[in-house]
Amino acid sequence: ETGVTQTPRHLVMGMTNKKSLKCEQHLGHNAMYWYKQSAKKPLELMFVYNFKEQTENNSVPSRFSPECPNSSHLFLHLHTLQPEDSALYLCASSPDLAGSSYEQYFGPGTRLTVT
Amino acid sequence: QKEVEQNSGPLSVPEGAIASLNCTYSDRGSQSFFWYRQYSGKSPELIMSIYSNGDKEDGRFTAQLNKASQYVSLLIRDSQPSDSATYLCAVNPPGTASKLTFGTGTRLQVTL
Repeated sequence: ETGVTQTPRHLVMGMTNKKSLKCEQHLGHNAMYWYKQSAKKPLELMFVYNFKEQTENNSVPSRFSPECPNSSHLFLHLHTLQPEDSALYLCASSPDLAGSSYEQYFGPGTRLTVT
Repeated sequence: QKEVEQNSGPLSVPEGAIASLNCTYSDRGSQSFFWYRQYSGKSPELIMSIYSNGDKEDGRFTAQLNKASQYVSLLIRDSQPSDSATYLCAVNPPGTASKLTFGTGTRLQVTL
């Protein structure tokens, strides 16, 4: 596997379900991100991790819970979601947060539908 | 005022022509600027980054940055039907080590 991978690629869940999204990066990067992309809206940054430590929570509702066990893996745990949470969830990574190395590389995304 | 503004398009250009995509940003002092290409149903793909005023060329792509006027543009020479996609402009605002602010994107259609 190369680059940034995400599983599952598609997920349909009810509002009472609990599910998790997984992201893995094979680029040797230290920073990882979760974004939400809804139709007609710009990409919304949700969480940022650097060296496994969360550095940003962009006022995300608590029904989204991130986990970063190491610099290569990132999870997004989902519970009691709402239909408006249906969107494309994108994971990204970058070499670091400092200096000029802000180039972020995206995974293929998870298309989430909440019913 | 939106932090990063792009015309949503669609921008339609004939095959072989130059496509010009524009982006303006509100945070003066922003230092890093990126262009991503996103095909329908796919994730964004980084195609250009630019950090200094002026032009940066990579193959058929040229990024142009003017910090005084707070705009960044992307030129695509010899446009191909495979260039048809949505192009996202992303800016790293000052004082935010990690954050990228994205525009809503411009949809480009290259016609035969």
